[in-house]
Amino acid sequence: DAKTTQPNSMESNEEEPVHLPCNHSTISGTDYIHWYRQLPSQGPEYVIHGLTSNVNNRMASLAIAEDRKSSTLILHRATLRDAAVYYCILRDVRVNQAGTALIFGKGTTLSVSS
Amino acid sequence: DGGITQSPKYLFRKEGQNVTLSCEQNLNHDAMYWYRQDPGQGLRLIYYSQIVNDFQKGDIAEGYSVSREKKESFPLTVTSAQKNPTAFYLCASTPGTVNTEAFFGQGTRLTVV
Repeated sequence: DAKTTQPNSMESNEEEPVHLPCNHSTISGTDYIHWYRQLPSQGPEYVIHGLTSNVNNRMASLAIAEDRKSSTLILHRATLRDAAVYYCILRDVRVNQAGTALIFGKGTTLSVSS
Repeated sequence: DGGITQSPKYLFRKEGQNVTLSCEQNLNHDAMYWYRQDPGQGLRLIYYSQIVNDFQKGDIAEGYSVSREKKESFPLTVTSAQKNPTAFYLCASTPGTVNTEAFFGQGTRLTVV
């Protein structure tokens, strides 16, 4: 699986936008970019995913670079509840559909101040 | 409601004892996973299963065993061979394609004394 690189930590103020970067320079054309986040003492939860085009949902936006070697998760207005560890993961659509292993890195710890 | 359930939430065991962690899902997902998380660290893959009666080792399978006799169940046994079993254990499941989200349980915090 292609590897991702994220900053260890980031800080934000409440109600400000947050841009969480992820580098994946060895991404293949069949890798989907997924983002999850994990609140303290909980299991990770899905945030968003995309392949080539930018994606929006109720939680966040995903901006994917034209060469797909990097992506950015955008939280439009950070709240205290957004303080979590954010993981960027690549999933290859060619690998056995049911069983491609989800491989997590250390993620980015986002702190939000009021 | 559909979801993935891990039990118990907290588990204490004496050193040298085997212990089994439960993971059940009613999402009709094909694939299930077990992860270990240590304080301040990311998730490390222990085992995963693509289909009933089949499973593969992850990065840190030594000292653990699993079974997948039913689609909805994927129990993890932490054996006495696991040198440092105290950790937060997470179970996850995914449907048949990578273009979909994974669902995680709330985790089991195992403490071995």
